Amino acid sequence: GAGVSQSPSNKVTEKGKDVELRCDPISGHTALYWYRQSLGQGLEFLIYFQGNSAPDKSGLPSDRFSAERTGGSVSTLTIQRTQQEDSAVYLCASSLVGTGKETQYFGPGTRLLVL
Amino acid sequence: AQSVTQLDSQVPVFEEAPVELRCNYSSSVSVYLFWYVQYPNQGLQLLLKYLSGSTLVKGINGFEAEFNKSQTSFHLRKPSVHISDTAEYFCAVIPYNNNDMRFGAGTRLTVKP
Repeated sequence: GAGVSQSPSNKVTEKGKDVELRCDPISGHTALYWYRQSLGQGLEFLIYFQGNSAPDKSGLPSDRFSAERTGGSVSTLTIQRTQQEDSAVYLCASSLVGTGKETQYFGPGTRLLVL
Repeated sequence: AQSVTQLDSQVPVFEEAPVELRCNYSSSVSVYLFWYVQYPNQGLQLLLKYLSGSTLVKGINGFEAEFNKSQTSFHLRKPSVHISDTAEYFCAVIPYNNNDMRFGAGTRLTVKP
């Protein structure tokens, strides 16, 4: 079946505007992760969803960042009042159950540029 | 919290030469270990992972890695690289007891003819 998809692939916005990034996980995967990849740095964990459990938000860098997952499938990452330091590639991944030892399947990412 | 250090940000190597990409981690609890690869303009894909058992793990494309618990290392190796191995390689760990996966900063492997 199809892999993880993300939209948009690229987003340019002005400082102070809100943006929404979308992730469609692999069908049947109950675990969904968001990461941020900044230039020259590794991936930074942002948030994790597992089924109907409360999400693990421990990686969100500020209260301007939020995410939701509707119906246990599609997820939206929202960044309010964007800042230039938010510019990065935002990656979404999903795994079958989320026991930690499973392979995470990554989407192609959304490249966000805040001017 | 756990952390991952990839000791080399860039590794240039000639085609058919062996290569080792180094990864060290720090964690107060037991972890699973992973290597992911990101080819130019593509998403990350799993190369290999260590969960338990034999400390030598074989992955795709001829790569292998060895888990060394005493040295807290998980170095990635390939005996003979190809031009097509040019990519960014990320080492990652995730604790047994949660889903907070931590990645290293990545190593850019460049294979030259």
